[in-house]
Amino acid sequence: QVQLVQSGAEVKKPGASVKVSCKASGYTFIAYYMHWVRQAPGQGLEWMGRINPNSGGTNYAQRFQGRVTMTRDTSISTAYMELNRLTSDDTAVYYCARDHYYDSSGYGIFDYWGQGTLVTVSS
Amino acid sequence: QSALTQPASVSGSPGQSITISCTGTSSDVGSYNLVSWYQQHPGKAPKLMIYEVSKRPSGVSNRFSGSKSGNTASLTISGLQAEDEGVYYCCSYAGSSIVVFGGGTKLTVL
Repeated sequence: QVQLVQSGAEVKKPGASVKVSCKASGYTFIAYYMHWVRQAPGQGLEWMGRINPNSGGTNYAQRFQGRVTMTRDTSISTAYMELNRLTSDDTAVYYCARDHYYDSSGYGIFDYWGQGTLVTVSS
Repeated sequence: QSALTQPASVSGSPGQSITISCTGTSSDVGSYNLVSWYQQHPGKAPKLMIYEVSKRPSGVSNRFSGSKSGNTASLTISGLQAEDEGVYYCCSYAGSSIVVFGGGTKLTVL
């Protein structure tokens, strides 16, 4: 069965960086885009961007451009999301989510989700 | 890219039907049949309920249905049950490799 298992909660100081991992199992990792979505406390879902695990190609939401980097390690079927220059506004649960379409363009239909990683930014 | 517009809350009694709207623009909802809906319970990851406007994933009750007209997509839940309570989000592909969510609608089953 498909599973996405994320790394544990993090506490960071303002200005620091955080790197969250998402280990995939139960399917061919390189065949499906992986997206990252975040949710601030009490707020809605926000799409951050996506990575093509096959090519490593990425697309980011405009508001995160220059501050986020999505990578992958195909040898261990793991995707990563690194966010730099953290502020208190980045306190949120970060989810990885697999795109629904096999070997396609990552259109943003999320059929499997990780359990979420809480990132707290506080001085 | 602006978020899609959803009502903040809707409510209904058990057995009734409710509809949640999701209004976008001609650049997202109006241009692509790539609208999806997610259900989220407190402290849990979202769950895919509808994709490609009106398709149901395996295992999702046929009480859930979706539609689209112009720039507005809709999710209808018929025969409301207590377990349907939660927050519902719409989502759409917006072209140029961008995806946008709605702000979420809290469903209360009275």
